[in-house]
Amino acid sequence: TQLLEQSPQFLSIQEGENLTVYCNSSSVFSSLQWYRQEPGEGPVLLVTVVTGGEVKKLKRLTFQFGDARKDSSLHITAAQPGDTGLYLCAGSPNDYKLSFGAGTTVTVRA
Amino acid sequence: DSGVTQTPKHLITATGQRVTLRCSPRSGDLSVYWYQQSLDQGLQFLIQYYNGEERAKGNILERFSAQQFPDLHSELNLSSLELGDSALYFCASSVGQGAIVYEQYFGPGTRLTVT
Repeated sequence: TQLLEQSPQFLSIQEGENLTVYCNSSSVFSSLQWYRQEPGEGPVLLVTVVTGGEVKKLKRLTFQFGDARKDSSLHITAAQPGDTGLYLCAGSPNDYKLSFGAGTTVTVRA
Repeated sequence: DSGVTQTPKHLITATGQRVTLRCSPRSGDLSVYWYQQSLDQGLQFLIQYYNGEERAKGNILERFSAQQFPDLHSELNLSSLELGDSALYFCASSVGQGAIVYEQYFGPGTRLTVT
């Protein structure tokens, strides 16, 4: 059983469309992270959200941390082929061990 | 390039064998983390070392062991290999001990295939 549940598992959209990826848990986290992993490479940290209700923006990517600190979302506006990759959320209830969600594979078609 | 290096990039071996994966952390980083990524289990934390000492353990099998040397490089030893051990093994490093407080930088991974 995954501590962090991600949905959807797969997402295929056309360039220019918007998309949202969700990360949910029954546990409370002090903070959550989002990573992007491209084929043949290791995950790369995109953002860390630490305050309930927090919204962070990274160019066309918007990250939100739920008020209860049990969930998070990643929204991409006007997706581009370069956004293609595996998006992983990760969290640690006690900053001790990092647990990852199963990931959402995003494909943006040109 | 994250600054974390892992060797070898690919490894093919037979069941029952033993292999060693090597990781060199970014310059100045004291923590090394090992992760296993497979299609069915996703990315799973195995073990963390900080400045030569084991700090945290995850879902690491007894057949697996790791260590961090005085020069801070780390090795992950996998023995009595089974088909199910086939996976990508990632090493990550960070400057401090906290798993999330300090950003982890991931290496390119070692792809292990057990036949």
